[in-house]
Amino acid sequence: AQRVTQPEKLLSVFKGAPVELKCNYSYSGSPELFWYVQYSRQRLQLLLRHISRESIKGFTADLNKGETSFHLKKPFAQEEDSAMYYCALSDGGGSNYKLTFGKGTLLTVNP
Amino acid sequence: NAGVTQTPKFQVLKTGQSMTLQCAQDMNHEYMSWYRQDPGMGLRLIHYSVGAGITDQGEVPNGYNVSRSTTEDFPLRLLSAAPSQTSVYFCASRRGTEAFFGQGTRLTVV
Repeated sequence: AQRVTQPEKLLSVFKGAPVELKCNYSYSGSPELFWYVQYSRQRLQLLLRHISRESIKGFTADLNKGETSFHLKKPFAQEEDSAMYYCALSDGGGSNYKLTFGKGTLLTVNP
Repeated sequence: NAGVTQTPKFQVLKTGQSMTLQCAQDMNHEYMSWYRQDPGMGLRLIHYSVGAGITDQGEVPNGYNVSRSTTEDFPLRLLSAAPSQTSVYFCASRRGTEAFFGQGTRLTVV
């Protein structure tokens, strides 16, 4: 069974400080990992995925298969980064993709 | 291109009532799904569909029914509402592995 663990429910940092949102997973195959973000009163949207190896809004995430982790990082947090962040894993089997989400981390960036 | 549209945005039901949450997408995506979002629980998959006429259960299907008669629509039916079904419900459609979400329906069962 696949599982996604986000150990921190709440994370509070000051503007300009580095931020790291942790995500660990368990999966027997080759996973595809994502970070989704939900800003206040908005719908969930894809932030980034590990296969793209891209930086979105200053955020990066590296898949570490040895540690089964996919932590989200940003060197200098901004107030507009305050949101709920969900790590998600896809089983990617054929066309029957299922997304399994972690419980989410609420990030608050204080001025 | 409206993406994924959910109606209603808010709903209050009495225990035992039934209702249908509507979800429509205009992106011609085959894969659609319903999640519920509860504090401290994240998003949990209720039901999903890989195409018209094909549905399957997710993690928390009890008390919910779905059908998929067209590619565009994927309604979620609450058969007999219970207070435990108070939640925010999200519909999503998939292109490959990227999910597109609706704005959610906030349901309260009293």
